[in-house]
Amino acid sequence: GENVEQHPSTLSVQEGDSAVIKCTYSDSASNYFPWYKQELGKRPQLIIDIRSNVGEKKDQRIAVTLNKTAKHFSLHITETQPEDSAVYFCAASHGFQKLVFGTGTRLLVSP
Amino acid sequence: NAGVTQTPKFRVLKTGQSMTLLCAQDMNHEYMYWYRQDPGMGLRLIHYSVGEGTTAKGEVPDGYNVSRLKKQNFLLGLESAAPSQTSVYFCASGWQGDQPQHFGDGTRLSIL
Repeated sequence: GENVEQHPSTLSVQEGDSAVIKCTYSDSASNYFPWYKQELGKRPQLIIDIRSNVGEKKDQRIAVTLNKTAKHFSLHITETQPEDSAVYFCAASHGFQKLVFGTGTRLLVSP
Repeated sequence: NAGVTQTPKFRVLKTGQSMTLLCAQDMNHEYMYWYRQDPGMGLRLIHYSVGEGTTAKGEVPDGYNVSRLKKQNFLLGLESAAPSQTSVYFCASGWQGDQPQHFGDGTRLSIL
């Protein structure tokens, strides 16, 4: 089955810096890669997703890149703000297979 | 739309008691999932369902049972609660595996 590894487990940046979170997946058939943000005490919420027919997707300050050959995908946050502080989860799946989550990255943005 | 609704939001149990957590979704999703999340840890899949009347084991199914008698509802049961089951439980639903999952607000369960 699919296995998703996520790094780093914690990431501290200064406000205004960029943050990058990386994930690797094992199943070459996976074609859907979402990212979730979970604020303290809240539910995970989808912030961006990408499918295997696209190499990069942007939404304002966040972007996701996908390298199918290397089987890894990354979340990029530019101009970080304190409200970006949260736990971020990557995930992967294909077709009717269940979504498999990474272990999460705790991002702390200091003012 | 309410989305995914979990009941109850909080509960305290004594060791050995039983209870059922209810998840209801109004998006006509086929797939539903139960996760547990312990402090500082990620989401661990307990059980999931790919349609009405179906259930399947996830990563940590021991000590839990589930039922999906109606498409919109997914029940998680603890037959004999143990302190190790103290956690936050999240329910989620989606159209299928390669579609976004929508999460409920969670149930905070403490077992003394």
